Amino acid sequence: KNEVEQSPQNLTAQEGEFITINCSYSVGISALHWLQQHPGGGIVSLFMLSSGKKKHGRLIATINIQEKHSSLHITASHPRDSAVYICAVNPDSNYQLIWGAGTKLIIKP
Amino acid sequence: EAGVAQSPRYKIIEKRQSVAFWCNPISGHATLYWYQQILGQGPKLLIQFQNNGVVDDSQLPKDRFSAERLKGVDSTLKIQPAKLEDSAVYLCASSLGAASGRGEQYFGPGTRLTVT
Repeated sequence: KNEVEQSPQNLTAQEGEFITINCSYSVGISALHWLQQHPGGGIVSLFMLSSGKKKHGRLIATINIQEKHSSLHITASHPRDSAVYICAVNPDSNYQLIWGAGTKLIIKP
Repeated sequence: EAGVAQSPRYKIIEKRQSVAFWCNPISGHATLYWYQQILGQGPKLLIQFQNNGVVDDSQLPKDRFSAERLKGVDSTLKIQPAKLEDSAVYLCASSLGAASGRGEQYFGPGTRLTVT
């Protein structure tokens, strides 16, 4: 079992829909990251969370430390949101990031 | 604020040739990371620098890969000689970084390497 699990693996939705991507982890962490990767390969850091909730534009990220679970929400989705969304954690015991497998999101116009 | 810069963006070489990638981190970021991302997989950390010192290079194939960060700012990653399995996206990231290297990492656009 991977230490960081994301669901769904693939998600296709219509423009305007509310999107939720989930991340569960099995190790103690000091922080959780949500990142976005477009087909060209570059990665953009969206959020770093250690508790609670953060919002940036149409993106919202939440984390429940007790349940070892985080969600990334996109409101009013748009085709330009199409990308791979990756969850990664900083484990307590190590500075190296542990990466989820990513969720490929396609938003159709 | 300028982001992490990388060059080149794309490179195609033949096996057994050499290649070098360059990274300029965000100003003031002490920690710099090089990752290798093979298609369909998550990024793998190759090397982590704290200023100009190496913190971790345990997953760097040292027989062919080398990296340096001479003045604690820019960094270069070299592959010599390249193999077909080196085809990947090479990502550079930086963070303000305490000695632990934790904290938000900012990624560059990556260099897509194709070895033929």
